Amino acid sequence: QVQLVQSGAEVKKPGSSVKVSCKASGGTFSSYAISWVRQAPGQGLEWMGGIIPIFGTANYAQKFQGRVTITADESTSTAYMELSSLRSEDTAVYYCARTVRTVAGTTIYFDYWGQGTLVTVSS
Amino acid sequence: QSVLTQPPSVSGAPGQRVTISCTGSSSNIGAGYDVHWYQQLPGTAPKLLIYGNSNRPSGVPDRFSGSKSGTSASLAITGLQAEDEADYYCQSYDSSLSGSEVFGTGTKVTVL
Repeated sequence: QVQLVQSGAEVKKPGSSVKVSCKASGGTFSSYAISWVRQAPGQGLEWMGGIIPIFGTANYAQKFQGRVTITADESTSTAYMELSSLRSEDTAVYYCARTVRTVAGTTIYFDYWGQGTLVTVSS
Repeated sequence: QSVLTQPPSVSGAPGQRVTISCTGSSSNIGAGYDVHWYQQLPGTAPKLLIYGNSNRPSGVPDRFSGSKSGTSASLAITGLQAEDEADYYCQSYDSSLSGSEVFGTGTKVTVL
């Protein structure tokens, strides 16, 4: 059974950075991409970007380009998402999710999710 | 502002059938990109409900079904149950600008 376990809640000051981890178990970590999705309080889901651990290459949503860095450590089956220059609007629950490409290869979907990490940005 | 639009809420009595629409455009659903659906129970992480427009992962009841036509997709729940009360999101790919995975605006399903 695939499990994604994320690091605990964080409280950060505006302008600082946060790094959230996502440890995978029960599957072949390197064979799947890991994506990060966030959800602001009372709001919908927003895709931030993803990484394919075996290649080490990440891609990011344009909105977060330059502010987010997604990495993966194959030796520990752990993915990381670091968001910098935090502002109050970044207060959200951040999820990691195992990512699968459709057979046609045109889109991806998220079949297993972490429990979420609440990041609060407040002065 | 999401490029995939869903009704904010739908409701139905136990046993009834409800449908949730996901309206896109020629740069996402209309371009042929697959649509996927997620269920999010209160206070929990989203759960994959439908992938590739109409496929159910193992363990998802066959009360849930998905379809796609033109620039829209739909999720149907038949035999509505109290435990189906949750938020539902569609997801696809949008090729406008630099391209990105996008989620729908979300729909709250209430069981009366």
